[in-house]
Amino acid sequence: EAGVTQFPSHSVIEKGQTVTLRCDPISGHDNLYWYRRVMGKEIKFLLHFVKESKQDESGMPNNRFLAERTGGTYSTLKVQPAELEDSGVYFCASSQGLGKPPDTANTGELFFGEGSRLTVL
Amino acid sequence: AQSVSQHNHHVILSEAASLELGCNYSYGGTVNLFWYVQYPGQHLQLLLKYFSGDPLVKGIKGFEAEFIKSKFSFNLRKPSVQWSDTAEYFCAVNAYYGQNFVFGPGTRLSVLP
Repeated sequence: EAGVTQFPSHSVIEKGQTVTLRCDPISGHDNLYWYRRVMGKEIKFLLHFVKESKQDESGMPNNRFLAERTGGTYSTLKVQPAELEDSGVYFCASSQGLGKPPDTANTGELFFGEGSRLTVL
Repeated sequence: AQSVSQHNHHVILSEAASLELGCNYSYGGTVNLFWYVQYPGQHLQLLLKYFSGDPLVKGIKGFEAEFIKSKFSFNLRKPSVQWSDTAEYFCAVNAYYGQNFVFGPGTRLSVLP
């Protein structure tokens, strides 16, 4: 089974440019999350999709960040225009649909991609 | 709001030493608790998790963690570490299955051969 994949693995852009990060969750996972880790600090929540709907976007830092999940499959996170402080590693994670353990079909586990490292110069 | 703290930023041990990494969370209700690990150059992966039942949970690679509700703690332990355990370890909490996970700042473990 394919895991969570993210693209690109590393992006270097100049301040003011636009970058779009993509995440393909595990097939069948309704929940998709974006997290960010800046300069070795904690992993901070950005937002959470359930299927194509934004369940919680309280962690989005400002309106320069736009996330979409058309059709409830893959998701994109666009940063426009990028600023220096946006540099960091952006993680995507997915998990199965809502349900409560110990249903073995719902492990409650987040499966992470390898992250997209963004460097803004 | 939930928060997670981890006691140590960087831990350095020799092989065969015992390990305990502290994790405390702040949330008054029922929580699910997790430890994730990120080995160098790899993605975050689950070590172990607690939902309910026996507060002592066992994970992969000989790790275990104990949930102490009265202390809001979920410390990670391993009796004898190996060089291959060198990684960064993250404690995480979510208040309800499927909802947002809150991560601690991470503890970097370096095991000297």
